[in-house]
Amino acid sequence: KAGVTQTPRYLIKTRGQQVTLSCSPISGHRSVSWYQQTPGQGLQFLFEYFSETQRNKGNFPGRFSGRQFSNSRSEMNVSTLELGDSALYLCASSLEGLSNQPQHFGDGTRLSIL
Amino acid sequence: GDSVTQMEGPVTLSEEAFLTINCTYTATGYPSLFWYVQYPGEGLQLLLKATKADDKGSNKGFEATYRKETTSFHLEKGSVQVSDSAVYFCALGGAGGTSYGKLTFGQGTILTVHP
Repeated sequence: KAGVTQTPRYLIKTRGQQVTLSCSPISGHRSVSWYQQTPGQGLQFLFEYFSETQRNKGNFPGRFSGRQFSNSRSEMNVSTLELGDSALYLCASSLEGLSNQPQHFGDGTRLSIL
Repeated sequence: GDSVTQMEGPVTLSEEAFLTINCTYTATGYPSLFWYVQYPGEGLQLLLKATKADDKGSNKGFEATYRKETTSFHLEKGSVQVSDSAVYFCALGGAGGTSYGKLTFGQGTILTVHP
């Protein structure tokens, strides 16, 4: 069974640009969550999508947005990039996003802002 | 809100030593608890889980018991190997509808095992 796939693995952008990251969940998983990982703040929850609807959202500015498609694939968009957005962005999938269901992570997209 | 506190790192051990990484949590209701491991350049891999009080999760020689009375979920392994060198994260899946798809993580503990 294929795992969670994130593309691209690496991205370099400049301040003010926007970026779109992609995530393909494990087949049969309908919940997709996104996290930001930085050395200073650790792992922080961005948002979760289930059946094309955002059900939960972390404490991030509106520049961070996402969507989910009917095949459960998800994209995350960051607009007006800032230096502080440099991070590893991780996507995780689970069957239904319930608390007792483990999340399975992709290898992440490393975003660097120059 | 929910929170997870892990022991300060990094932890350095010799091969075959005993490992304990402490994890305590604050949450309302009955959360689920997880340990994840992250190797360099990779995402997080689920190591083990426990979904109710007194459950013991185990995998690859690692164990952790969900202790509600002490709000703890300490990770243990009897004999570590060099290949166990990685970053370990304790995580909590909160109870209730506002916790859909959200894991709250501890700060991570870097483990280095020397031959």
